[in-house]
Amino acid sequence: GEQVEQRPPHLSVREGDSAFITCTYTDPNSYYFFWYKQEPGASLQLLMKVFSSTEINEGQGFTVLLNKKDKRLSLNLTAAHPGDSAAYFCAVSALGGSALGRLHFGAGTQLIVIP
Amino acid sequence: DAGVTQTPRHEVAEKGQTIILKCEPVSGHNDLFWYRQTKIQGLELLSYFRSKSLMEDGGAFKDRFKAEMLNSSFSTLKIQPTEPKDSAVYLCASSSYREEVFFGKGTRLTVV
Repeated sequence: GEQVEQRPPHLSVREGDSAFITCTYTDPNSYYFFWYKQEPGASLQLLMKVFSSTEINEGQGFTVLLNKKDKRLSLNLTAAHPGDSAAYFCAVSALGGSALGRLHFGAGTQLIVIP
Repeated sequence: DAGVTQTPRHEVAEKGQTIILKCEPVSGHNDLFWYRQTKIQGLELLSYFRSKSLMEDGGAFKDRFKAEMLNSSFSTLKIQPTEPKDSAVYLCASSSYREEVFFGKGTRLTVV
């Protein structure tokens, strides 16, 4: 089955610096890709969804890059601020077409942004 | 528009007890998921329903964990009997075709 590896498990950056998180997956048929943010004691909040036809997505203060050839999904938080401190999870769905299906999650990255 | 609702938010059980966690998915969603989250194992799938039919049952959880969808707007997760290693956050999530997955706030279970 699908295996998702996320690196690094822990990341500490200074305010204003970039924070880069990467996931690799194994199933070449994976079709939907997600990044979730989880603050302490809270549930998972969707940051960005990426479909197979999209390579780069820009959000508010971050960029997501999908490289299907290398089976790699990346999240780059540009100019991180203390409010970005949280756990980040990538998730991959191996079903395509009309179905979303279950998500396979990475192990998560605990990000700390130091003021 | 209500999101995914989970009750209770916190549960404390003694070893050997039976507990039932509840979930109401987003109205109109076809898919419902139960995940368990721990610091060590991360997010693990317990059960996955599509239109009330069980699509996937997490292999490692079959013996003491049972999820059911009584109707399209209500699901339960029963753990029987509970063990201390079941202490975790249990997350319910729902989605519709080609849409994002919405997560509930979770139930934090502590088994003593």
